[in-house]
Amino acid sequence: SQQGEEDPQALSIQEGENATMNCSYKTSINNLQWYRQNSGRGLVHLILIRSNEREKHSGRLRVTLDTSKKSSSLLITASRAADTASYFCATGYLTGANSKLTFGKGITLSVRP
Amino acid sequence: KAGVTQTPRYLIKTRGQQVTLSCSPISGHRSVSWYQQTPGQGLQFLFEYFSETQRNKGNFPGRFSGRQFSNSRSEMNVSTLELGDSALYLCASSPLGTSAGELFFGEGSRLTVL
Repeated sequence: SQQGEEDPQALSIQEGENATMNCSYKTSINNLQWYRQNSGRGLVHLILIRSNEREKHSGRLRVTLDTSKKSSSLLITASRAADTASYFCATGYLTGANSKLTFGKGITLSVRP
Repeated sequence: KAGVTQTPRYLIKTRGQQVTLSCSPISGHRSVSWYQQTPGQGLQFLFEYFSETQRNKGNFPGRFSGRQFSNSRSEMNVSTLELGDSALYLCASSPLGTSAGELFFGEGSRLTVL
C-alpha cells in the first residue's frame, strides 16, 4: 500500500513540551502534507513539504523529509492544550494526468494542561 | 471567502436505502475529492472530480458514485446501503487537484446506517 504510516499511534505530553510525530511511506512521492483533525470535524492543512525539500517551518511547526529513508517528522514546539487533536500525514503522488493524496491512520495527540 | 460546505451534516438511513451527499467547494476551486473516514480503516479515498470529469477513483464498489456540476459543486451517492457504510464522509476542494497542493476540507457528513 502507498499509505503513509504514522508513529506513534498515540502521544500524551504536558503543556509546554515538544511533540514529535513520525510518518513513513513506501513509494516515491511528489510531496508530503500534514493535517490536523479535531474530534469529529474536518481536516485542516498544516504544512506541505515537496520531495526536493528537506525541512520546512511554520510557526511552532517544523517538518522534515528524508526521501532516502522515506520518512517525515512533524515537530510541534511548546505545545498547548489546544493542540490536542489527531494528526495525519498524507503522501502526494502524481501519475500522468492523475493525482492521489493518501492518508495515514493518524496520531492522537493529547496535551495535558 | 466561504469555506467548503457539506450537507447534510448528519443523517440516519436504514440498510438498502440510498443516500446523496452534497459538497460546495471554495469559489474558484475546480477539484473536489471525497474521502470516507471510519475508525477501523481511517481515511479512504473515494474519488476526485476536476472540471466535471472524474479524474481518479479509489477501491470502492460501484454502489459509490459521484458527479460534479459546471459550478464545481459535487454530489456523491451511495446506493443499497450496508451497515459498513456508516462513516464520516469528507469532501475537500483545491484549485489544482489532489496531491498538487493543500486540500480544504468541509466538516463532513456523518452517515449512520441502521
